Amino acid sequence: AQSVTQPDIHITVSEGASLELRCNYSYGATPYLFWYVQSPGQGLQLLLKYFSGDTLVQGIKGFEAEFKRSQSSFNLRKPSVHWSDAAEYFCAVGVSGGYQKVTFGTGTKLQVIP
Amino acid sequence: DAGVIQSPRHEVTEMGQEVTLRCKPISGHNSLFWYRQTMMRGLELLIYFNNNVPIDDSGMPEDRFSAKMPNASFSTLKIQPSEPRDSAVYFCASSSSGDSTDTQYFGPGTRLTVL
Repeated sequence: AQSVTQPDIHITVSEGASLELRCNYSYGATPYLFWYVQSPGQGLQLLLKYFSGDTLVQGIKGFEAEFKRSQSSFNLRKPSVHWSDAAEYFCAVGVSGGYQKVTFGTGTKLQVIP
Repeated sequence: DAGVIQSPRHEVTEMGQEVTLRCKPISGHNSLFWYRQTMMRGLELLIYFNNNVPIDDSGMPEDRFSAKMPNASFSTLKIQPSEPRDSAVYFCASSSSGDSTDTQYFGPGTRLTVL
């Protein structure tokens, strides 16, 4: 069975600073990988996803993520964080083939300070 | 499009009462998911429907939980009887085909508190 680990429960960055959120997955074959964002009181919104091709994936709101098979990682990055990026971020892994049973990580809560 | 609609947004009930959560998926989507989010366990998939048929209910915690999808535009998640440990945020999500690469669109959630 697939699993995903987000080692950082909480991260604080200054507005304008760069951001990297870590995600490690476990799955025997090529995984399908997702990053979702959840603002307070809201549902999850997809930022980006990877399932094949270029390992550097661009998403919405200026986010990008890089799939590194050798490290089993799919870290999320943003070069300059805005106060509105404060939210909780979830990495998720899906199984190739079959239906979309996605396993979510425990989330990383991002705080942005002025 | 209105997105995934869930009702109610908040529900407070007493232990032992029946609770029904409702979801309207995005029009044209044929896959629907119910999730539960808690601090302790994170986001857990409870049940997945495809074309109104339950495909995987292995995440349903126990017999007190049941879910139905009578048509393509409506689903319910029922808890009977409810218990304090059922307190959580319940999300409904839909996707266009349920394929592994599809994007899931989440509703705003129902925050359930069982006293």
